[in-house]
Amino acid sequence: AQSVTQPDIHITVSEGASLELRCNYSYGATPYLFWYVQSPGQGLQLLLKYFSGDTLVQGIKGFEAEFKRSQSSFNLRKPSVHWSDAAEYFCAVGGQSNYQLIWGAGTKLIIKP
Amino acid sequence: GAGVSQSPSNKVTEKGKDVELRCDPISGHTALYWYRQSLGQGLEFLIYFQGNSAPDKSGLPSDRFSAERTGGSVSTLTIQRTQQEDSAVYLCASSLGSAGQDYGYTFGSGTRLTVV
Repeated sequence: AQSVTQPDIHITVSEGASLELRCNYSYGATPYLFWYVQSPGQGLQLLLKYFSGDTLVQGIKGFEAEFKRSQSSFNLRKPSVHWSDAAEYFCAVGGQSNYQLIWGAGTKLIIKP
Repeated sequence: GAGVSQSPSNKVTEKGKDVELRCDPISGHTALYWYRQSLGQGLEFLIYFQGNSAPDKSGLPSDRFSAERTGGSVSTLTIQRTQQEDSAVYLCASSLGSAGQDYGYTFGSGTRLTVV
């Protein structure tokens, strides 16, 4: 079955600390992988995506993610978080001929001052 | 327009009433998607439009839900005889082509529907 798992419902980090949000997927074909961010009362904004090539992908706002096929993971990282990064983060997977993305349940990021 | 616009942003309705949710996609985006986001859940796919056609309605939860798109632009999601379990945020997204993942979705801010 196709699925996306984000094991952490909430994560709390101090401002300036590093961040890693986990995403594991199950997908029968070559996966296209995405991270989106949703600020309160806002729609989802694309942070980054992986289709092929270099497995380390750079995105907006200083985020990056690494695709690890052997672990079926696509974890999101940021070296130093800012208070403005507090939001909910969603991982999603799709395929080349499949317009419908499969979404994780999201991880809420809380920033401690 | 510059982004995907959804209206209303909030809607409170009584159980049993019908509601209409509107989505105005980015001009030129041929693909349009409706998703539902319930508290603590990921996004649930509802329906996909390519132009005015809906090749995939498989996500609509029941026959109380319907959607249409006119002129390859504005879309309306209608929920008839609303139930409390319909309470959620309804998100609309659009993309340039049918392969949304190649171009990336652009999402609206959503309509928060509360059925009381």
